Amino acid sequence: QSALTQPRSVSESPGQSVTISCTGTSSDVDNYNYVSWYQQHPGKAPKLMIYDVTQRPPGVPDRFSGSKSGNTASLTISGLQAEDEAAYYCCSYAGSYTWVFGGGTKLTVL
Amino acid sequence: QVQLVESGGGVVHLGRSLRLSCAASGFTFRNHGMHWVRQAPGKGLEWVSFIWNDGSDKYYVDSVKGRFTISRDNSKNILYLQMDSLLVEDTAVYYCARDRSVQYSDFWGQGTLVTVSS
Repeated sequence: QSALTQPRSVSESPGQSVTISCTGTSSDVDNYNYVSWYQQHPGKAPKLMIYDVTQRPPGVPDRFSGSKSGNTASLTISGLQAEDEAAYYCCSYAGSYTWVFGGGTKLTVL
Repeated sequence: QVQLVESGGGVVHLGRSLRLSCAASGFTFRNHGMHWVRQAPGKGLEWVSFIWNDGSDKYYVDSVKGRFTISRDNSKNILYLQMDSLLVEDTAVYYCARDRSVQYSDFWGQGTLVTVSS
């Protein structure tokens, strides 16, 4: 039950694109297509942005997209906007009804 | 609309107990598994526990096994987390979250803060 690995911080200018990686193992990310991504603004509850690796819930802009290759999942945000500045967490099903989160990535929109 | 409202947090001394509640509304509670997820101050999210929709099976992260118990009352639409033998490292905001097909959590409450003092 080790945490997934994410970069601690990323930054990019408005209008640009940024990709956040999430590296796991053969027991979680590589073994299941159940990777989800959550956005969290300071003092707020996490919000689901991507589920099942690539799926967007209703209401999430199509600027947000997800992908996976092997044991690494990625969240890409294109056309960055000021309101995208937040912490982003990946999560993967890890089998036997357990889940594991990444350590979180702080996105700064310059 | 889906609402999850946690309560029961507070300051508690090392080794004592606390019970958290999560009141659910806006959806058919008995049809969904439920999670507890916590976040230590300034830290990331950590999955804590999961319970099946009918309460028949329960799962925990290793660090709380034997100390925490998840349960639910489907007649009252309430999820619980009984926390015993609390440690300083259990200090966190505790969120309840609705499960979707064991694949992800789609709605989260606002959280309740538990502080364990030594």
